Amino acid sequence: EAQVTQNPRYLITVTGKKLTVTCSQNMNHEYMSWYRQDPGLGLRQIYYSMNVEVTDKGDVPEGYKVSRKEKRNFPLILESPSPNQTSLYFCASRATGSGTNEKLFFGSGTQLSVL
Amino acid sequence: AQSVAQPEDQVNVAEGNPLTVKCTYSVSGNPYLFWYVQYPNRGLQFLLKYITGDNLVKGSYGFEAEFNKSQTSFHLKKPSALVSDSALYFCAVPRRSNYQLIWGAGTKLIIKP
Repeated sequence: EAQVTQNPRYLITVTGKKLTVTCSQNMNHEYMSWYRQDPGLGLRQIYYSMNVEVTDKGDVPEGYKVSRKEKRNFPLILESPSPNQTSLYFCASRATGSGTNEKLFFGSGTQLSVL
Repeated sequence: AQSVAQPEDQVNVAEGNPLTVKCTYSVSGNPYLFWYVQYPNRGLQFLLKYITGDNLVKGSYGFEAEFNKSQTSFHLKKPSALVSDSALYFCAVPRRSNYQLIWGAGTKLIIKP
């Protein structure tokens, strides 16, 4: 089954404790992206990757890191989480065959709470 | 600046009635436009997209959307609402500078039996 898998589903942590949210896709997609979803703000892009070893900042990259060492994986790293990073996070992927008119496939989300 | 707006935070519709979820955009040129749906505790799912051609686009679950260039709108519609259509709906358009999607704030659709 084609899917984007995120882990963990729920995460509670404390300020300053480094954490990683994993994302993996099995569709051989070149493009992957991380979003955060906050009430009333829709989805805001954190980082995206057009292919292996190619990453770019989105609209809200501060406080986050990513890496794309393999095509299927795109982990999101919070080196020193702060309470304002409490949010619902989504990973997404798509093919790049037709560019931006390709549809995105989303993971089920990670609800992060930073105390 | 390029933007997309969903003017209604919430839309309430009785089951069986037609529904409309509104989206307007501000993007130069001929935009691509998307609708996605988020069911409770799930990730977003693609519903439909407008690329070019026919202004009425048909998508998943009986939804359709009408592209109106003069009004810069891309409203989502369904002739007869189901309770199972209750969800959060997002409109999105690619930004011309880097081709990444700009998302509306989302509209919560509530279908009452």
